[in-house]
This record gives sequence, structure tokens and C-alpha cells, in this order.
Amino acid sequence: DAKTTQPNSMESNEEEPVHLPCNHSTISGTDYIHWYRQLPSQGPEYVIHGLTSNVNNRMASLAIAEDRKSSTLILHRATLRDAAVYYCIPSGFNKFYFGSGTKLNVKP
Amino acid sequence: NAGVTQTPKFRILKIGQSMTLQCTQDMNHNYMYWYRQDPGMGLKLIYYSVGAGITDKGEVPNGYNVSRSTTEDFPLRLELAAPSQTSVYFCASRESGAGLAKNIQYFGAGTRLSVL
Repeated sequence: DAKTTQPNSMESNEEEPVHLPCNHSTISGTDYIHWYRQLPSQGPEYVIHGLTSNVNNRMASLAIAEDRKSSTLILHRATLRDAAVYYCIPSGFNKFYFGSGTKLNVKP
Repeated sequence: NAGVTQTPKFRILKIGQSMTLQCTQDMNHNYMYWYRQDPGMGLKLIYYSVGAGITDKGEVPNGYNVSRSTTEDFPLRLELAAPSQTSVYFCASRESGAGLAKNIQYFGAGTRLSVL
């Protein structure tokens, strides 16, 4: 299982972009990079995932390094509702191993 | 849309008691998962199932049992509760098949369990 390194916490101002980094230098060639987030007192929710190419959806963008050893989740305009713990999970689809994630604080 | 439903939401057990955490999904997903989350930590996989009648261990299976007799239900059994099992338990499900959209895990709201 690929090990991940994420900052313990980050802070952002409301309506500004946020770049959440993740290092996964031991990722295997077939692992996707999944991002989930967990709002306070809730279960995790899906944000985005990708394999090699950058991905966009209505919630966020995922930028994947060419060597796939790191990725960055981009929230284009942070809102107060985006305050959560963000987990980067390099994995196949069967088993997910969550690390400690990055706690994002959004200031009004 | 109900999605993934977990019951109960809260429970207090005494050491040595047993209980079953219930998980039901109405999305006809083949894959189901049980995780536990200790305070300030990420989720750890306990057991998972790839379909009715098939289960497998995750990272932390000791002290737990599961069964999967139907597609919808995936109960988690604690036989002899211990204080170390105090945690929040999350159930999740996902559809199987090719395509990015089919491999999203959907989580329930969790069961908060205290063993005293």
C-alpha cells in the first residue's frame, strides 16, 4: 500500500483558491489517486479521483504530477462549507487506506 | 434517496457484551465496507465484501465478524466488547464495474460506540 504524506493542517480565506498537496512516492502503476473529505461529525464524502491526467469536476480539480509521485487537490473558491479533513488515498478500488489527512480551516 | 443507512447512531456497551451494528444500502451496490475511526485519526478498514456470500479482512479485523447474506445488508458483529473498540464505525458501499463514476464509495453517517 502506498504511503502518503499530507500537511496536518492548512488555512485559507473564504473565496480564495486552496491547493492541498499530497506526496505518494510509493504509488503503484495501477493505483488511482482518490480524494475524499470528511466534514465535522459526518462520514467521508467523495471529492475526485484520477489515474494520470488532470481531472476536473464541479467540486474540485486534481492535478497529478507526471511521475505520479505527488498530486494536488485544488478548490477554486473555498467556502466555509469546505472546512473539513481532506484525505488523499492512492489505491486500487477494493481497499482504501486512509491516513490522517489535512484539516482545512476556512476563514471568513 | 436513502443511500447507506446505519443503525444505531449511538450505543454504550459494557465490557464483554455483544452487539450488531447494522448497515443497509439501497443502491444495489456489490461492494460494502466497514471502517472504524478513532479520535483524531483516519479511518481503518475492518472488513469488506465484494458481493453476497463473500467477505474478506481489512487492516483491523480482530474482535469483529461480518456476514453478507443479501446485497443490501452488511452487519458488523462485536462478540466480546472491549474498551479498545470504542470508536466511530462507518459503513460504505460502491458499485462495481469499469468507469470512474462506478467506483465512488458512499458512506453512512456512522455509529458512535462507547465500551465502558
